[in-house]
Order: sequence, then C-alpha cells, then structure tokens
Amino acid sequence: EAGVAQSPRYKIIEKRQSVAFWCNPISGHATLYWYQQILGQGPKLLIQFQNNGVVDDSQLPKDRFSAERLKGVDSTLKIQPAKLEDSAVYLCASSPPRSALNTEAFFGQGTRLTVV
Amino acid sequence: AQSVTQLGSHVSVSEGALVLLRCNYSSSVPPYLFWYVQYPNQGLQLLLKYTSAATLVKGINGFEAEFKKSETSFHLTKPSAHMSDAAEYFCAVSEWGGSEKLVFGKGTKLTVNP
Repeated sequence: EAGVAQSPRYKIIEKRQSVAFWCNPISGHATLYWYQQILGQGPKLLIQFQNNGVVDDSQLPKDRFSAERLKGVDSTLKIQPAKLEDSAVYLCASSPPRSALNTEAFFGQGTRLTVV
Repeated sequence: AQSVTQLGSHVSVSEGALVLLRCNYSSSVPPYLFWYVQYPNQGLQLLLKYTSAATLVKGINGFEAEFKKSETSFHLTKPSAHMSDAAEYFCAVSEWGGSEKLVFGKGTKLTVNP
C-alpha cells in the first residue's frame, strides 16, 4: 500500500513570497490533515478535511494560509505572503473512517520550509 | 480541551538500559492515546496506540505503554535500548467518539549512548 505522498521535500523562499505544498493521501482515506511542526515542538493541526469539506480550521492563520482538497483526494496548502515564523515542517496525514480497528493517522515525510 | 505533557525534552540512556519516556494527558472524555516516533528528516511513524481495550499495549520495535486512568498517564517503555532507537518520540491524544484530530506533546528526544 502506498503511503502519504508530499512534495516538495524542501523549500527555501524569501519572506513575503508565496509557496504551495501538495499532498496525496492513501487511497480510500476520507480524512486528510495538515500539521505544522516548528523546530523543537510537536505537530500542531492547521486544518482537517473530511472528503472535500473542512472539519476543523480553527488554528489556520486564514489571513495568509489557505488549503483546498478538490474532489476529496489531493490537497494543497498555500502560504501567501510567507513570514519568517512560518519556517517549519508541514506534515500531511490521512486516516480511514474511524472504527475500533482504524484509529490511526498515517503521515507523509513532510515538507521542510525555510523562510529567509 | 485536550492536552499532552511530555516530561523531559531530552532523555539519554546507555545501550541495553531501560527506556522510559513519560506522557501525561488531559481529556474530558475517554481518550485514544498514541506514541509516534520521528527519525531525522522523516515523518511520524506509529509505535503503538491505546483504544480502550487492554491497558498494556505492545507496539513495534519492542516498545510498550501502559494506560493508567487514575494517573492520566501513558508512559512508553522498552526494556533494553538499542542504538537504532535514537529518535524523537511524540505522545498524542484524540477523543473517543469525537474529532479524529491528534493533539501532540512537545516531544522527547532520545539519545542512546554506546
């Protein structure tokens, strides 16, 4: 079974520029998450999709961050304009419908963003 | 609101010694609890999970964790550390029957000395 795919793996941009990250979840997984992991901290949820609808975006800085999940499969996360404090690893994860057996999220390798 | 506290941002053990990584959680509803491991420049890999079945949970690579409701703890242990265990470990909680999102602790970096 293929895992969660993310691209690019690394990105360096200047502040005030824009950037986009792409995620392809595991086939059949209805739920998709974007997490932000700042150096030295645990991942923090930015946005959660159920199919192509947003379940939770309470911690997404909506003035500069946006995300979409067209057709309920792939997703993109965009930052415009980027700030220095956006430097972090952006992790995408997906999970199947929750049941007694399926309770875990599967993570991609992440995109490391450096804003200079 | 749920939260996770991991005591000790860095833990250092000798190869062959006991590994103990501490995790305490706060949740107003029965929790699901997880331990993930992260190797450098990699994503998160699930070590084990508690989902209201057995309180002692065995995971991959010889790790196990015990859910103690009275102590709101879910500490991770391994009897004998191996050099390959050096990584960062994250404890996470999600709500049983609620949102599937994970709330993570700040992580514990494990160093294994030869």
